[in-house]
Amino acid sequence: DAGVTQSPTHLIKTRGQQVTLRCSPKSGHDTVSWYQQALGQGPQFIFQYYEEEERQRGNFPDRFSGHQFPNYSSELNVNALLLGDSALYLCASSLSPQPGYEQYFGPGTRLTVT
Amino acid sequence: DQQVKQNSPSLSVQEGRISILNCDYTNSMFDYFLWYKKYPAEGPTFLISISSIKDKNEDGRFTVFLNKSAKHLSLHIVPSQPGDSAVYFCAASGNTGNQFYFGTGTSLTVIP
Repeated sequence: DAGVTQSPTHLIKTRGQQVTLRCSPKSGHDTVSWYQQALGQGPQFIFQYYEEEERQRGNFPDRFSGHQFPNYSSELNVNALLLGDSALYLCASSLSPQPGYEQYFGPGTRLTVT
Repeated sequence: DQQVKQNSPSLSVQEGRISILNCDYTNSMFDYFLWYKKYPAEGPTFLISISSIKDKNEDGRFTVFLNKSAKHLSLHIVPSQPGDSAVYFCAASGNTGNQFYFGTGTSLTVIP
């Protein structure tokens, strides 16, 4: 049973560029959440997708956008990259967007903005 | 504003002894709590959870205790093993969705 997968593993971008990160959820999961983990910090919630719509959003600017496809996979897009966007980006999937369901995380994409 | 706090960045314990990791939260609307374990270069792995209707949940060597009045939860690992060495994150969510708030993590080292 494949767990959550993310691509690419590492990415280096220049300030001002745009980036797209990809995630495939665990088999049977239809809800995908994205988190940003800066060095020395815990993961911070960016947003969650369910039924191809953004259901919840954390305190992140509109430069961060996403998409969910009919097969439940998801993309995270970040425009106009800033140095402060350098972080580990984690994708998590769950059986439901409802409270009380644990989230399963992928290995993350390490984004470095220079 | 950090709604979930883990005030101990690191903890060292001898193999076979008990490890106690602590977590405090400020939002009284939180009603579901989880602990995750994270190894380097991997994503967090779900370890154990507890809902606010309970004050204790046990799974093998791992027990989570919840004190709602103090807004405090703890993870007990007994006996600790070298393979338990990892960063442990406490996370919480409310009853309006599945958004989790994470603490900053505690790095546990179990010394053989």
